[in-house]
Amino acid sequence: KQEVTQIPAALSVPEGENLVLNCSFTDSAIYNLQWFRQDPGKGLTSLLLIQSSQREQTSGRLNASLDKSSGRSTLYIAASQPGDSATYLCAVNIRDYGGSQGNLIFGKGTKLSVKP
Amino acid sequence: DGGITQSPKYLFRKEGQNVTLSCEQNLNHDAMYWYRQDPGQGLRLIYYSQIVNDFQKGDIAEGYSVSREKKESFPLTVTSAQKNPTAFYLCASSLFPENTEAFFGQGTRLTVV
Repeated sequence: KQEVTQIPAALSVPEGENLVLNCSFTDSAIYNLQWFRQDPGKGLTSLLLIQSSQREQTSGRLNASLDKSSGRSTLYIAASQPGDSATYLCAVNIRDYGGSQGNLIFGKGTKLSVKP
Repeated sequence: DGGITQSPKYLFRKEGQNVTLSCEQNLNHDAMYWYRQDPGQGLRLIYYSQIVNDFQKGDIAEGYSVSREKKESFPLTVTSAQKNPTAFYLCASSLFPENTEAFFGQGTRLTVV
C-alpha cells in the first residue's frame, strides 16, 4: 500500500526566505507526482505536475523535483511572500490501483506561514 | 470557463436526513473523485469513478452513495447511516485515471445541526 509523508507538518518563515517542502512516498511505481496549494476553507489548486520520467518542473518562483528511485520530491519556493501562506499537499498517481486506495494518494500537507 | 463546480458551498443536515452534494465538470474528464477532509486527517477517498456508469468504493465509503449517469456529473449522497458527516467535501476530476493532472472544485462544507 502506497503511503505519502510530508515533513514538516508546519513551517513558519520570515518574508523573503527561500524554503523547501518535502514529500516522500513508499512505492516508486507511480505515473506522476502533483503539488497542490490549499487556502483555508477552499479547494485544492494545482501548482506543478511532474511525470515519472521527469526530474523537475518550474513555474515562476516554484520548482519541484522528483527522485523516483529514492521516493522523494521537494517543492522549492524562492523569495517567499506572505501570500504564499497556505497548506501545500503532494499527491502521487499510482500505477497499481483499483482498490479502495484509488489512484491518487495524498500526504497530509505542510502548513506554511510567511511572516511579513 | 472550464472547471469543476461544487454546490452548495455550505450545507446543513438534520439528524436522520439524506443530503446530496453536487459535482459538475465541463473539462470532458473521464475520472472523478470524492474526498472527505477533516482537520488533521488529510484527504480521505470516499468514491471514485473511472468512466460513466462505473464507480469504486474508497477507504471510507460506508454511509455514502454515488452515481455516474453522465460524464460531467458525479453527485454524492450522504445518508443517515453516516454517523459523523460533518466535514469538508472535495470533488476532483482528471482526464484519465492514469498519468494526468487532477483538478479540484471549491468544496462543500457539510454541518449536522
